[in-house]
Amino acid sequence: NAGVTQTPKFQVLKTGQSMTLQCAQDMNHNSMYWYRQDPGMGLRLIYYSASEGTTDKGEVPNGYNVSRLNKREFSLRLESAAPSQTSVYFCASRRYGTGELFFGEGSRLTVL
Amino acid sequence: KQEVTQIPAALSVPEGENLVLNCSFTDSAIYNLQWFRQDPGKGLTSLLLIQSSQREQTSGRLNASLDKSSGRSTLYIAASQPGDSATYLCAVTSGTYKYIFGTGTRLKVLA
Repeated sequence: NAGVTQTPKFQVLKTGQSMTLQCAQDMNHNSMYWYRQDPGMGLRLIYYSASEGTTDKGEVPNGYNVSRLNKREFSLRLESAAPSQTSVYFCASRRYGTGELFFGEGSRLTVL
Repeated sequence: KQEVTQIPAALSVPEGENLVLNCSFTDSAIYNLQWFRQDPGKGLTSLLLIQSSQREQTSGRLNASLDKSSGRSTLYIAASQPGDSATYLCAVTSGTYKYIFGTGTRLKVLA
């Protein structure tokens, strides 16, 4: 029962470094999401992918890029990390029809 | 613009108590409402999904109700246990890609 798998679980970066967060789902879902969760601000959508080959910006896309590599995988890239990007990042996928969301365990990123 | 509110932000109850968590939304034109549980340092686990045409859903000791006309959903937890301690979040969608989340109710069940 893998569901949505995220790597890495923890990462510490220095300001200006780059990295990619990986996400994969094995539920054959078309839609996938990247959120960030910050204390007092709830979950905010960074990017969304309705299907393989398509991506759209969410509410907080600045400083991030995404790639929908295939139906299973949706990656999030920080090109030049900033301390404001210290957060917990969650990947999710959506079941067609019911619209039920399934989340990964999260990636905890600290930018020094 | 849809807004989702969860009150209270935190709640402590003794073990065995039945409790109700609240989720309010401002736009009744929703497609579904979903309740999640989040343990510290973990991801969101789906508990119950209520479609807009449904009034309630049940899973074990959990029962979620939906009243679209009043913009409210409640999550009822029967006979609470210390293992129920977590943050509970609700989210609504209008059927597009967008989900609006509440900021959650942090529940502590005391042994």
